[in-house]
Amino acid sequence: AQSVAQPEDQVNVAEGNPLTVKCTYSVSGNPYLFWYVQYPNRGLQFLLKYITGDNLVKGSYGFEAEFNKSQTSFHLKKPSALVSDSALYFCAVEGRSGAGSYQLTFGKGTKLSVIP
Amino acid sequence: NAGVTQTPKFRVLKTGQSMTLLCAQDMNHEYMYWYRQDPGMGLRLIHYSVGEGTTAKGEVPDGYNVSRLKKQNFLLGLESAAPSQTSVYFCATGHRAGVNEQFFGPGTRLTVL
Repeated sequence: AQSVAQPEDQVNVAEGNPLTVKCTYSVSGNPYLFWYVQYPNRGLQFLLKYITGDNLVKGSYGFEAEFNKSQTSFHLKKPSALVSDSALYFCAVEGRSGAGSYQLTFGKGTKLSVIP
Repeated sequence: NAGVTQTPKFRVLKTGQSMTLLCAQDMNHEYMYWYRQDPGMGLRLIHYSVGEGTTAKGEVPDGYNVSRLKKQNFLLGLESAAPSQTSVYFCATGHRAGVNEQFFGPGTRLTVL
């Protein structure tokens, strides 16, 4: 079985400061990892993914994530936070089921608040 | 292109009533998913489909049924609604090949009294 942990329910950061949203995972085989963002009363939007290769993945809106295989982590980062980054962030891992279909398992989400 | 749309946006049901949520996509994706989102629990997969005419159970399928008669539509049914089914429901779609992100609809907020 696969799982994702987001250890922080909420992260507060001052505008202009770097931000990190933490994620650790557990999966059999190679991990396929994703970050999604959800703004209030909206569906989830894809930010970035890791499949293979470079451990630093760049995504939308200036976000990036660092894959660390030894620590089974995939932390989301941004060098300089904006107030408009305030949202709910979800980490997800993809596993390949016996039926050959692809399912995502989501973490419980981290609420990011960027303070002006 | 509309992307992924969900109907209705809001609904209030009484315990025991039935309803169907509709997900429609114009992205020609093979895979479609239904999730529920509850506070502090993230998204949990209810049912999914890997193609027209196929469905499979996800993590929390009890109390729900689905159908995928056409590639572009994925229906989620509640035969006898219960207060525990109060939630926000999201539909998502995805490509079959490779490792691809899912595309989400705007959600349906359902309250069961």
